[in-house]
Amino acid sequence: EAGVAQSPRYKIIEKRQSVAFWCNPISGHATLYWYQQILGQGPKLLIQFQNNGVVDDSQLPKDRFSAERLKGVDSTLKIQPAKLEDSAVYLCASVLTRGFSEAFFGQGTRLTVV
Amino acid sequence: DQQVKQNSPSLSVQEGRISILNCDYTNSMFDYFLWYKKYPAEGPTFLISISSIKDKNEDGRFTVFLNKSAKHLSLHIVPSQPGDSAVYFCAAPYPTGANSKLTFGKGITLSVRP
Repeated sequence: EAGVAQSPRYKIIEKRQSVAFWCNPISGHATLYWYQQILGQGPKLLIQFQNNGVVDDSQLPKDRFSAERLKGVDSTLKIQPAKLEDSAVYLCASVLTRGFSEAFFGQGTRLTVV
Repeated sequence: DQQVKQNSPSLSVQEGRISILNCDYTNSMFDYFLWYKKYPAEGPTFLISISSIKDKNEDGRFTVFLNKSAKHLSLHIVPSQPGDSAVYFCAAPYPTGANSKLTFGKGITLSVRP
């Protein structure tokens, strides 16, 4: 079974630039999450999708972050404009059904904003 | 408001000895807990879980203990191996049901010395 795929693995941008991350969840997994992990902290949820609908985006800084899930499969997370404090690893995770706890994570995208 | 706390940022043990990783939580509504393991440049992977109806769950070298009255759980690794060196996250899903999402602690970096 293929795992959660994310790209790019690494990205370095200047502040005020924009950046986008891509995630392809495990086939058949209806629920998709984006997490932000700042160095020295645990992953923090940004947004949760069920199929192509948003379940929870209460932690997403909507003035600069946006996310969508195309046709209930792939998802993109965008930051525009980026700030220095956005430097983090962005993790995508998927689960088979809502309420199932054992989420599968991708390798993450390490973003450095300079 | 961190509801899952891992107060010790690091732990170093000798190969073959026991590793004990601790986790505390504040939300008495949590009824299920998971441990994730994360190697550098990889996403977290699910390790072991425990339901609040149990006080112990064992899987090979890994055992998780839950003390509900103290709101405390611990992960025991016996015997510890160098390949166990990683960051370990304690997590809890909340709320229960379809909109559940994982809340993570800050993680503990375990180093197993050969």
